[in-house]
Order: sequence, then C-alpha cells, then structure tokens
Amino acid sequence: QVQLQESGPGLMKPSETLSLTCTVSGGSISTYYWTWIRQPPGRGLEWIGYIYYTGSTTYNPSLKSRVTISLDTSKNQFSLKLSSVTAADTAVYYCARAGSSLGANAFDIWGQGTMVTVSS
Amino acid sequence: QSVLTQPPSASGTPGQRVTISCSGSSSNIGGNSVNWYQQLPGTAPKLLIYSTNQRPSGVPDRFSGSKSGTSASLAISGLQSEDEADYYCAAWDDSLHGNVFGTGTKVTVL
Repeated sequence: QVQLQESGPGLMKPSETLSLTCTVSGGSISTYYWTWIRQPPGRGLEWIGYIYYTGSTTYNPSLKSRVTISLDTSKNQFSLKLSSVTAADTAVYYCARAGSSLGANAFDIWGQGTMVTVSS
Repeated sequence: QSVLTQPPSASGTPGQRVTISCSGSSSNIGGNSVNWYQQLPGTAPKLLIYSTNQRPSGVPDRFSGSKSGTSASLAISGLQSEDEADYYCAAWDDSLHGNVFGTGTKVTVL
C-alpha cells in the first residue's frame, strides 16, 4: 500500500525559501504525477503543481515564479521549494499522487500534511 | 482565488439527501472531468468521486456525482453522521493550464 509522508521545517521567516520533502513508501516513484497542494488555516485547497515521473513539471500560474518541484528517484522522494515566502504562504502543505487509472488529475493518495508557519 | 464556486454550507437530517453544486466555466468543468474530495475534520482530503461520476473502491454508493454543462453536483443520499465534513470539487482548467479546486462546502448533519 503506497503511503506518502511530508517533512520539513514548521516555522519560517519572511523572505526565506520553503523546502519540503515527500517520501513515497510501498511503491515506486517512477510513474504517476507527484503533486503538492496547500491549505491555509480555515480556508480551501490550492494546487501548487506536480512533477511527472519523467521530470516534466506543471505549476499553478499564480505561484510559478516562486515554485520548483523536483524528483529524487534514488530516494523515492520528491520535493517542493517555494522562494520568498510571506505570511500568505502559511498553510498545511500536502503531497499527493495523481495519474493512476482513476485519472491524470485525480489525487488518489495523500500525505497527512505538514503545517508551515511564516512569521517574523 | 478559487475558480470553481460552491455553496459554503449544506445540511440535512440523517437519512436525507443532500446535493452540493460546483459552478465553473467552459475551460474547466465544461470540457473536463470533475473530481470530488471529502475532508473530515483535522484530516487530509480523500478522493470521493473521480471522472465526474465514478467511485473509488471503498466509497459507499450513497455518494454520486454528475455534470451538466459548466456545473457539477455531488449528491449524498441516506445522509449519515459520519458524512459531516468539507467537500471540494476540482477539475483541470485548460485556460490556466492547471488544476483548480472549488471553494468548498461544509456539510452538517442536523
């Protein structure tokens, strides 16, 4: 059974670069779309972007200038970097899988999420 | 800012049928399939409906999805207390070239 687990710092200062890692267990990362989604406290979901197992990336246009998603197949991990963070980037960050037989954009497996707070 | 619009809340008594709408445009719902997610309090979202009207293994058939034009709907029949959660629609948007989520609907079981 495939499981996802996010890891990274819980507290950051404005202007720093957020760096999160998602570790995939129980299956190979060498297929599917590997996705980052976030949810500000008390608010809705926002798709950040995803990376295909080939390394091809697609990002949310509103975040594209600050986002990089990368893949490390040797460690079965994928990562998110978000530069120049502000308080508006405070959110629970989820990693998720898409591209299974359920559809290219159906997020069928999710991590538990990790809270990131941006505060001076 | 969400591209897909949902009512902020919906409610019903146990056993009732509740319907949640999701309004979009021709670039998202109108031309692509819709997925629905259920988020129980304090947990990660869970895929509830994919490809507009399909249920993943393990999802009760009380949940059903449909689409007409640029709007989609999620119906919960035989409402149960454990259905109390936030529900989100989502779809690919051809104009934005990305996935978009709905604003979310909180379902309360009275």
